[in-house]
Amino acid sequence: EDQVTQSPEALRLQEGESSSLNCSYTVSGLRGLFWYRQDPGKGPEFLFTLYSAGEEKEKERLKATLTKKESFLHITAPKPEDSATYLCAVHFSGFQKLVFGTGTRLLVSP
Amino acid sequence: NAGVTQTPKFRILKIGQSMTLQCTQDMNHNYMYWYRQDPGMGLKLIYYSVGAGITDKGEVPNGYNVSRSTTEDFPLRLELAAPSQTSVYFCASSYRDSKNTEAFFGQGTRLTVV
Repeated sequence: EDQVTQSPEALRLQEGESSSLNCSYTVSGLRGLFWYRQDPGKGPEFLFTLYSAGEEKEKERLKATLTKKESFLHITAPKPEDSATYLCAVHFSGFQKLVFGTGTRLLVSP
Repeated sequence: NAGVTQTPKFRILKIGQSMTLQCTQDMNHNYMYWYRQDPGMGLKLIYYSVGAGITDKGEVPNGYNVSRSTTEDFPLRLELAAPSQTSVYFCASSYRDSKNTEAFFGQGTRLTVV
């Protein structure tokens, strides 16, 4: 069965302390991998799309990378406003849907 | 630029009641989706639509119905509400051609069935 697993479930960082979030997947034909940010009480907000192994995307303090079996969301020198839940979703070949991971809750303390 | 708009934001239903969650998008997207999000469970697809007049079941369709009469609107109908339907519901839309593109989400509807 196709699955998407995110780790860790929760991550607590000090402001400025860089780290990475992981999204691993078992697929039969990856069509695209998506990263979203979700703030409490809000809908997911799109961050990045990655389509092929080796691809990288950057936005401010965030950088997403993709290999054949996993993706990383690197957070460099995070600030408290980066605190949120980060969701990974994968689109598999032959399916019309996105499969979501359960997310990583990030808390950045000043 | 409104994006994806959901109404209502909050609702409390009694067991056995029915209601419709409204979803409208103004981006001319062909694909629309309904997800539910439960604590620790991630987003689960209820129904989706690839265009006006075409809908299909997702992972958890039981207890729900949808229709897609226009490109813009994709309402979700709950018949005979049950406590298991207490959740946060998100509508999303995306544009698909030869490549899958990102989905844009509404702000959600928090539903409690008592």
